[in-house]
Amino acid sequence: QLQLQESGPRLVKPSETLSLTCIVSGDSMSSSNYQWGWIRQPPGKGLEWIAFIYYSGSAYYNPSLKSRVTISVDPSKNQFSLKLTSVTAADRAVYYCARGRESYENLKGFQRAHYYYGMEVWGQGTTVTVSS
Amino acid sequence: EIVLTQSPGTLSLSPGERATLSCRASESVTSIYLAWYQQKPGQAPRLLIYGTSSRATGIPDRFSGSGSGTDFTLTISRVEPEDFAVYYCQQYGSPITFGQGTRLEIK
Repeated sequence: QLQLQESGPRLVKPSETLSLTCIVSGDSMSSSNYQWGWIRQPPGKGLEWIAFIYYSGSAYYNPSLKSRVTISVDPSKNQFSLKLTSVTAADRAVYYCARGRESYENLKGFQRAHYYYGMEVWGQGTTVTVSS
Repeated sequence: EIVLTQSPGTLSLSPGERATLSCRASESVTSIYLAWYQQKPGQAPRLLIYGTSSRATGIPDRFSGSGSGTDFTLTISRVEPEDFAVYYCQQYGSPITFGQGTRLEIK
């Protein structure tokens, strides 16, 4: 059974870089159908998607955070990571890693149908505080 | 960016009642790209529905999803005590966005 576990410092100083790792256990990361992503939730607020990455290394970012975010993957270690630079108090949140799933079906005429199955598996989340 | 607006903000019901939660998009969303999640206090979100109406693995059939275009609905046919939680809709676009959530509370 797939499990995700976030790890990293719980306290980051303002203007420094937040670094988190998601350790994947119970399954291999090496499928092109999986999206390995980060989502955050400020205290008492809703969910904000940050980024996701495929095991190939192709990454997609939320434009609102793209200038400060880097997501990376290491399939050999079964983990992926998030770096968020120049943090402020506004970056205080619970950070979740999650696995999304999609698939493609070949149709006639070189067309493909795309299917999305949602973010099926989530880590328990880790609370990150920004304070000096 | 597609903005998802959920209503009501809070829904107060008694166990056994029917719950209807709405998610309205600022522009049309392809049905296969609309999902719903449940989140209980101190827990990670849990996938309930994907593709507007398909239940995720292990989700009871009292949960159902419907809709198209810009209007989507999550229905709980008879609310059980364990269903009181916050519910989020999500669309798979560029970027991925979530609604602000609907809190289902005990009346």
